[in-house]
Amino acid sequence: GAVVSQHPSRVICKSGTSVKIECRSLDFQATTMFWYRQFPKQSLMLMATSNEGSKATYEQGVEKDKFLINHASLTLSTLTVTSAHPEDSSFYICSARGPGWTYNEQFFGPGTRLTVL
Amino acid sequence: RKEVEQDPGPFNVPEGATVAFNCTYSNSASQSFFWYRQDCRKEPKLLMSVYSSGNEDGRFTAQLNRASQYISLLIRDSKLSDSATYLCVVNIGYQKVTFGTGTKLQVIP
Repeated sequence: GAVVSQHPSRVICKSGTSVKIECRSLDFQATTMFWYRQFPKQSLMLMATSNEGSKATYEQGVEKDKFLINHASLTLSTLTVTSAHPEDSSFYICSARGPGWTYNEQFFGPGTRLTVL
Repeated sequence: RKEVEQDPGPFNVPEGATVAFNCTYSNSASQSFFWYRQDCRKEPKLLMSVYSSGNEDGRFTAQLNRASQYISLLIRDSKLSDSATYLCVVNIGYQKVTFGTGTKLQVIP
């Protein structure tokens, strides 16, 4: 299967700082990338969908000014958590889909565990 | 009512047992259905799609009941390596999939 990487895998930061998470497709061109968040013992919640070269579409309740998403190339999308607070501590996972893929074909990155102190 | 609901478990079963999970969905317009597996602190991985006629992949059998709006996953001859959380996933609209909270399975030696 296709490979998606995320960096960093784990980050601990102080409240008020910004954190950038990278999601890369290593062996395919990802025309669409998805960002999810998963709190302990809860399901993955879709935060936003980004298509290369265009603005991300955010799900209801997700603050676009707090969670900045950039999908500037076909292999890289970034999620920046601005002015992070302890309630932003979560497991952030990206997934990616290539051109012409059906909607059930998406590959997940390994996730980034964010802890805000 | 949640869009996708699952019994969180845990289901503790001995090796070799057969175990089944159900997942209900609320939107009758849901188009496609999947089972994912997620190991602790890891990303989800697609286990199998669920087709209307039911489908089987080795020890795993998935079924869809549109009338009652649920899907099921049956695991036969459970292995220790089957221990994981099984996520029910429903495609409701274009590009968007919704995940259930998952059912935790623990296979005991």
